[in-house]
Amino acid sequence: RKEVEQDPGPFNVPEGATVAFNCTYSNSASQSFFWYRQDCRKEPKLLMSVYSSGNEDGRFTAQLNRASQYISLLIRDSKLSDSATYLCVGGSDGQNFVFGPGTRLSVLP
Amino acid sequence: ETGVTQTPRHLVMGMTNKKSLKCEQHLGHNAMYWYKQSAKKPLELMFVYNFKEQTENNSVPSRFSPECPNSSHLFLHLHTLQPEDSALYLCASSQRWDSQDSPLHFGNGTRLTVT
Repeated sequence: RKEVEQDPGPFNVPEGATVAFNCTYSNSASQSFFWYRQDCRKEPKLLMSVYSSGNEDGRFTAQLNRASQYISLLIRDSKLSDSATYLCVGGSDGQNFVFGPGTRLSVLP
Repeated sequence: ETGVTQTPRHLVMGMTNKKSLKCEQHLGHNAMYWYKQSAKKPLELMFVYNFKEQTENNSVPSRFSPECPNSSHLFLHLHTLQPEDSALYLCASSQRWDSQDSPLHFGNGTRLTVT
């Protein structure tokens, strides 16, 4: 089975801080990369797709580094509402999107 | 209604009960999935249906039985479950099952407790 690894955290950061998460994947042939956000006891919600050329959406920037087989998520100017668990999808194994275990972020006032 | 909806939101069942989880997607997608999320574990794929044909069964015990009558509806029939089956069960859909540009869209999940 192809694995995806993430630092589980928690990352505790003050409001306004910049925080970055990395996620490593083992399947070098992977093509599908995404970041999801999951609030406590809720379903995962798509945050953004990750492309080799990078992807930016407001305060969020995602990057893919194929050579080192990792994807990253950068959150600038953190808000209290950014507190959640961030799941990465590091490729697929057949029809199975391979999820990481998630990184927990707490943004503190 | 839009998106992916699941019922019930919460379910408590005994080990001898039979129950079913229901999922409906209103996104016009062609693939539907069942995932299991246990505490402190990554999401685990259980079943995939593509154009209502089952295309993957990820070594799931037979006490879980999926049914996909059409591309918009998906069921998970449960019988003689074990306490370790207690988890959040998530339904998802995607436009296609094999595309980078086709992410999963999840339903709100059924939190299952087996007593």
